[in-house]
Amino acid sequence: GAVVSQHPSWVICKSGTSVKIECRSLDFQATTMFWYRQFPKQSLMLMATSNEGSKATYEQGVEKDKFLINHASLTLSTLTVTSAHPEDSSFYICSASALIGGELFFGEGSRLTVL
Amino acid sequence: GENVEQHPSTLSVQEGDSAVIKCTYSDSASNYFPWYKQELGKRPQLIIDIRSNVGEKKDQRIAVTLNKTAKHFSLHITETQPEDSAVYFCAAQGDSSASKIIFGSGTRLSIRP
Repeated sequence: GAVVSQHPSWVICKSGTSVKIECRSLDFQATTMFWYRQFPKQSLMLMATSNEGSKATYEQGVEKDKFLINHASLTLSTLTVTSAHPEDSSFYICSASALIGGELFFGEGSRLTVL
Repeated sequence: GENVEQHPSTLSVQEGDSAVIKCTYSDSASNYFPWYKQELGKRPQLIIDIRSNVGEKKDQRIAVTLNKTAKHFSLHITETQPEDSAVYFCAAQGDSSASKIIFGSGTRLSIRP
């Protein structure tokens, strides 16, 4: 199946710093990628839909100025957590589909810990 | 928007028995219903999916049923094995590439030896 790669797999940062997470589709082009956040023992909560060449669409309650999403090419979307705080500590995971309405492939996920 | 509810939140079955997880969705426009298995600390993996033009789909020990009228779908695992222990998520999606996939709350399945 299609491959989605996410980097870094884990990151520890100090409160107030910014962290960038990359999501790449390795063997297909993705005009749309999705960013999810997963707290321990909870479900995947959709944060935003990343659209290549245009602004991301954020879900209700997600601060667009705090979670900056850039989708500059058909194979790369980035999520930047700005001025991170301990409550932002979570598992962030991206996903993309190679086909319209097709299977959604997930990146490996990035575990963020903010001290 | 779409809302997906999943039950039960935890499920423990004896090895060899069957496990059933049920989900309901709210948006009648949803027409794609995947099921994911997630092991601790890992990415979700698709195990089976079903589209709205089909009522049932089976893949070896795993089957999914869909009732579009009632807006509910279920995952059935037969002859459960220890490696089936994981968290299972149902999800629902519309029919365009930009349609969001909304996940259920998850079911933690434990297989007792």
